[in-house]
Amino acid sequence: DTEVTQTPKHLVMGMTNKKSLKCEQHMGHRAMYWYKQKAKKPPELMFVYSYEKLSINESVPSRFSPECPNSSLLNLHLHALQPEDSALYLCASSQGTPTTNEKLFFGSGTQLSVL
Amino acid sequence: KQEVTQIPAALSVPEGENLVLNCSFTDSAIYNLQWFRQDPGKGLTSLLLIQSSQREQTSGRLNASLDKSSGRSTLYIAASQPGDSATYLCAALPFDDYKLSFGAGTTVTVRA
Repeated sequence: DTEVTQTPKHLVMGMTNKKSLKCEQHMGHRAMYWYKQKAKKPPELMFVYSYEKLSINESVPSRFSPECPNSSLLNLHLHALQPEDSALYLCASSQGTPTTNEKLFFGSGTQLSVL
Repeated sequence: KQEVTQIPAALSVPEGENLVLNCSFTDSAIYNLQWFRQDPGKGLTSLLLIQSSQREQTSGRLNASLDKSSGRSTLYIAASQPGDSATYLCAALPFDDYKLSFGAGTTVTVRA
């Protein structure tokens, strides 16, 4: 199994809603990532979990809250988002720590629209 | 700060033609350089990873080269097919850093 699975594929939410994005991998990877990608732009790193601990937060607003319940799962909790947060949210994983020489495996993403 | 540039931003070729995609980076102190493919509204698929000590990597019709001294990588796709239509991004991982530096991508259209 070489897949990173993200749910839901599409999400529409109002600015007062609370929702969660989910990501799952069963490759035994120890690093997991959240990226945000706006249309026609490259992905931007948001968070990195290494061995289930948050190791990097790229100064992301607190309305985004990551969670890593176990080594296979990664969640992104969303609350009080703004319309400018509309984007494709990508989860990724890699075998070891972020600074090791390994491929990143990406999920298909969640297309988020904030109304 | 590492900056990665991909030119051109878009490319259209007839089916069967070989594709040459360029990626340049400003700092040669990199762990590796990766090439990704992205279909519209989808995630990224890793195509090739070239380690700092390597000059090239090959997979099927794909070949990627790395020249650190000139700060360049090139992705070659032989005998292009309509299914190769996608955006191709390169990304460099700097030494002593955790964050990939992505280029903006080259959007390829292969005409049948």
